[in-house]
Amino acid sequence: QSVLTQPPSASGTPGQRVTISCSGSSSNIRNNAVDWYQQLPGTAPKLLIYNNNQRPSGVPDRFSGSKSGTSASLAISGLRSEDETDYYCAAWDDSVNGWVFGGGTKLTVL
Amino acid sequence: EVQLVQSGAEVKKPGESLRISCKGSGYSFSTYWITWVRQMPGKGLEWMGRIDPSDSWIQYSLSFQGHVTLSADKSTNTAYMEWHSLKASDTAMYYCARHYGATSELDHWGQGTVVTVSS
Repeated sequence: QSVLTQPPSASGTPGQRVTISCSGSSSNIRNNAVDWYQQLPGTAPKLLIYNNNQRPSGVPDRFSGSKSGTSASLAISGLRSEDETDYYCAAWDDSVNGWVFGGGTKLTVL
Repeated sequence: EVQLVQSGAEVKKPGESLRISCKGSGYSFSTYWITWVRQMPGKGLEWMGRIDPSDSWIQYSLSFQGHVTLSADKSTNTAYMEWHSLKASDTAMYYCARHYGATSELDHWGQGTVVTVSS
């Protein structure tokens, strides 16, 4: 059971906009920054969004993040076939004094 | 170019010991923390612990404390994670990742080390 809650799956058609939610609590998402990681099959996770809504260099602006209260969201616009993979949210948790992750969302591009 | 290069795949028996490594290059190794993350087969990511290579200050997740030992050698820009007695349930992929601040984002990851523990 992950501390942060994500839907196990999401889907969309090419060109569509999809969002992935991440629900937490005051000890993690409300009080700390949320990061998002993309994990392509058989590879290491890659930082996609940091500090709630910042994109590292090289990440397309089709990817965006937001946070409100104890929840956060990852939005992907102009969906492409190569976006079909796993996405994880993460945040520091003041109660466990460590990072907590969501269980991951598998995105399917129909 | 920032790189974290991890040691190769390992196959061990229950009860055996193991040390895996994570070598940083392309940046000032002592300036960034190293965190370790476990991913069991078909499962999500779990934070195991972190180490500050500048002074080897370590913090473990309660879930892993006492079962793994983290260390770092800043002279060789290498971080290590060690088990003294492996269990079958340690079978997983293990990633190292760097972060600038103690709770900052994990901005670069190693390629992962797969550990298989089987009798």
